[in-house]
Amino acid sequence: AQSVTQPDIHITVSEGASLELRCNYSYGATPYLFWYVQSPGQGLQLLLKYFSGDTLVQGIKGFEAEFKRSQSSFNLRKPSVHWSDAAEYFCAVGAGPTGGFKTIFGAGTRLFVKA
Amino acid sequence: GAVVSQHPSRVICKSGTSVKIECRSLDFQATTMFWYRQFPKQSLMLMATSNEGSKATYEQGVEKDKFLINHASLTLSTLTVTSAHPEDSSFYICSARDSGTSGYEQYFGPGTRLTVT
Repeated sequence: AQSVTQPDIHITVSEGASLELRCNYSYGATPYLFWYVQSPGQGLQLLLKYFSGDTLVQGIKGFEAEFKRSQSSFNLRKPSVHWSDAAEYFCAVGAGPTGGFKTIFGAGTRLFVKA
Repeated sequence: GAVVSQHPSRVICKSGTSVKIECRSLDFQATTMFWYRQFPKQSLMLMATSNEGSKATYEQGVEKDKFLINHASLTLSTLTVTSAHPEDSSFYICSARDSGTSGYEQYFGPGTRLTVT
């Protein structure tokens, strides 16, 4: 079975500063990796995904993530944070057909942005 | 793009009653849909996998008689919370996988907030 660890419950960064949110996964087969963002009381928005190919993935809103198989990591980065980026961020790992296409979420990291 | 809707977006019900939540894929067919619940300030927990035309597969610890899932068509799955109690109050989110592709992405609905009084 797959699992996801997001070691940081919350992170505070200054507006304009860079951001890195950590994600480690465990899955016995090829992982399908996702980052989602959720604003309070809202649904999920997909930021980016990794299935195969280039290990540096570009997403929406200026986010990127790098897949590192040797470290079982898929960290999310943004070079300059905006106040509107304050939200909850979830890393997720998806199984392929043999795993029933299930997606398992990490506990989430809440991002606070200070002026 | 692929769109998933949920209805209702919010529902308040009295303890002991049942509530049905619908999840629809609007522009694609989905043989597989998933139901999650999310408690305040917590992550999404996978409850069950809904398979069109067959029984749902429940995750460990999820009561199948409590959370009835029906996936009667390629675009609709329903979750019925039976004999709801205040501890069932939560945010319920569904997702659907496009059967017409070989991709692994799921498309998420906007969620349904259930409050049991």
